[in-house]
Amino acid sequence: LAKTTQPISMDSYEGQEVNITCSHNNIATNDYITWYQQFPSQGPRFIIQGYKTKVTNEVASLFIPADRKSSTLSLPRVSLSDTAVYYCLVGTPSGSARQLTFGSGTQLTVLP
Amino acid sequence: DAGITQSPRHKVTETGTPVTLRCHQTENHRYMYWYRQDPGHGLRLIHYSYGVKDTDKGEVSDGYSVSRSKTEDFLLTLESATSSQTSVYFCAISAHYEQYFGPGTRLTVT
Repeated sequence: LAKTTQPISMDSYEGQEVNITCSHNNIATNDYITWYQQFPSQGPRFIIQGYKTKVTNEVASLFIPADRKSSTLSLPRVSLSDTAVYYCLVGTPSGSARQLTFGSGTQLTVLP
Repeated sequence: DAGITQSPRHKVTETGTPVTLRCHQTENHRYMYWYRQDPGHGLRLIHYSYGVKDTDKGEVSDGYSVSRSKTEDFLLTLESATSSQTSVYFCAISAHYEQYFGPGTRLTVT
């Protein structure tokens, strides 16, 4: 299993860029890297997904180095509403789902 | 938001009683999943389905069974609930790689 390791918590201030790194040393060739955001009392919400290099969408960027053993979620200019738990997931959801492994997540707190 | 609902949203039951949680989707996605979430553990996969009548175990499947007789419904059953199964249960669906999660069911076993 591609176990993931993330920082337990991070603090930032409004307007700053936040980078959250996830370590996944045992990532398999077919595995994708997916990030989710979760607010209290809600289900996780998909943010971004990538396989290699860099992926960008309207809310975040995902940087994946060539060896794919880590990935970094970048949130530009965070606001108070970005306070949430962020999960890194490695696996192939449409393949053998038993390989899906969520880490414990990173609690991001955005301060005014 | 993806069309995914869970019922009930909250349930309190006694130890030893059977409990069934329902996940319903309107997206016609092939894959459906049941997770549990406990403080300090993130999300852990219980069971998943890759088609009607096709299911497989996840990381924490002991004490749980599932059934999927229709594309839109995925049922999670606790045959004899225990206090260790007190948790928040999330259903998820996916067509390809990203998963979409339901609102969750908070289950308390007393």
